[in-house]
Amino acid sequence: QKEVEQNSGPLSVPEGAIASLNCTYSDRGSQSFFWYRQYSGKSPELIMFIYSNGDKEDGRFTAQLNKASQYVSLLIRDSQPSDSATYLCAVGYSGGSNYKLTFGKGTLLTVNP
Amino acid sequence: AAGVIQSPRHLIKEKRETATLKCYPIPRHDTVYWYQQGPGQDPQFLISFYEKMQSDKGSIPDRFSAQQFSDYHSELNMSSLELGDSALYFCASSRKKGTTYEQYFGPGTRLTVT
Repeated sequence: QKEVEQNSGPLSVPEGAIASLNCTYSDRGSQSFFWYRQYSGKSPELIMFIYSNGDKEDGRFTAQLNKASQYVSLLIRDSQPSDSATYLCAVGYSGGSNYKLTFGKGTLLTVNP
Repeated sequence: AAGVIQSPRHLIKEKRETATLKCYPIPRHDTVYWYQQGPGQDPQFLISFYEKMQSDKGSIPDRFSAQQFSDYHSELNMSSLELGDSALYFCASSRKKGTTYEQYFGPGTRLTVT
């Protein structure tokens, strides 16, 4: 059973601060790692993906992956009220033509003006 | 850029009725996934298709079936609906690139069973 764990939150940060979201996963064979942002009642929106150890930056977002520790994180710099949403960590595993994502239960982020 | 299209966006059905949800993937995407998301829950994988063949199966009830057609669109058929089937149903699509698959979600269909 592949598991993905996230702190459910809520995580509250002031506007302009750095928000740090964390995720751990159980399957060492996992190959790809994704962060989705989901506003209430809306669909998940892919905001970052990372496949190799280290950091990946895209605008205000930085994803960090440590496969040895089975840990992936998302940093949001200069947090804005519009960043308030649930952030879903998803871990992918590929076996032949089979591929699916296992999601964590999400962390609710609130950015206070 | 073109996104995943789902229809209908909202659907109200009564218990024991049937429902059909449709998904049109992003052009040139070869894989379609279906997810169910209940209130306050994370998306639960139901089933996926790669090149029109079922590629993986998750927690899909036997009352549900799905297929992918020659134009790559997919349909999720749900029969003998139960109150517990009320949820958001998302379709996602991806294009195989080596061993990585970035899935992009559609807007979802909100199914309410009364």
